[in-house]
Amino acid sequence: GAGVSQSPSNKVTEKGKDVELRCDPISGHTALYWYRQSLGQGLEFLIYFQGNSAPDKSGLPSDRFSAERTGGSVSTLTIQRTQQEDSAVYLCASSLLGRVEGYTFGSGTRLTVV
Amino acid sequence: DQQVKQNSPSLSVQEGRISILNCDYTNSMFDYFLWYKKYPAEGPTFLISISSIKDKNEDGRFTVFLNKSAKHLSLHIVPSQPGDSAVYFCAASAPNSGNTPLVFGKGTRLSVIA
Repeated sequence: GAGVSQSPSNKVTEKGKDVELRCDPISGHTALYWYRQSLGQGLEFLIYFQGNSAPDKSGLPSDRFSAERTGGSVSTLTIQRTQQEDSAVYLCASSLLGRVEGYTFGSGTRLTVV
Repeated sequence: DQQVKQNSPSLSVQEGRISILNCDYTNSMFDYFLWYKKYPAEGPTFLISISSIKDKNEDGRFTVFLNKSAKHLSLHIVPSQPGDSAVYFCAASAPNSGNTPLVFGKGTRLSVIA
């Protein structure tokens, strides 16, 4: 597609449930990034995938968070046993590898854990 | 600890005047800096960037200044327009140290008053 697509745009879940957030990057972009923005906070790096290399998971806040990228395209961020502090906007971006100004962000998924 | 700091959470400016948004960084390995603009319910979009080999980069009404010795950069918008009202994120990268993801500040909410 023309841009980065994220779904769902909004998700309300009960504490303790698992959620899956999806990101469709721009076709041909080899790098994919997940960030989150909590209330009053900046964009916090979570994980990124670059080509066929092992992902950089250094930003994942706990082992309840995981992500995969299938076939070098679509990525899914999974949060298990959600907690209220997981409430945030989860943003996905993609870029051509090495092009820092080429980050194109999706509109994000607003996750609310009640 | 925040490697990229935007100490002003908000800024209000009259239409036609200059807006100055500030950003400080702590990591001396950063050598590429960017500003992103974010409207509500949208993902951040790239605005302007500067390499550490320069001290100024201008694009229309937007100019970014870099002071490497002070580890400080600023974004100037002149003249400010109501459509500039958004959250502005400063970001830094160390592309020469590998494909590390962008590090973002917490953002500054700019309100341009007509």
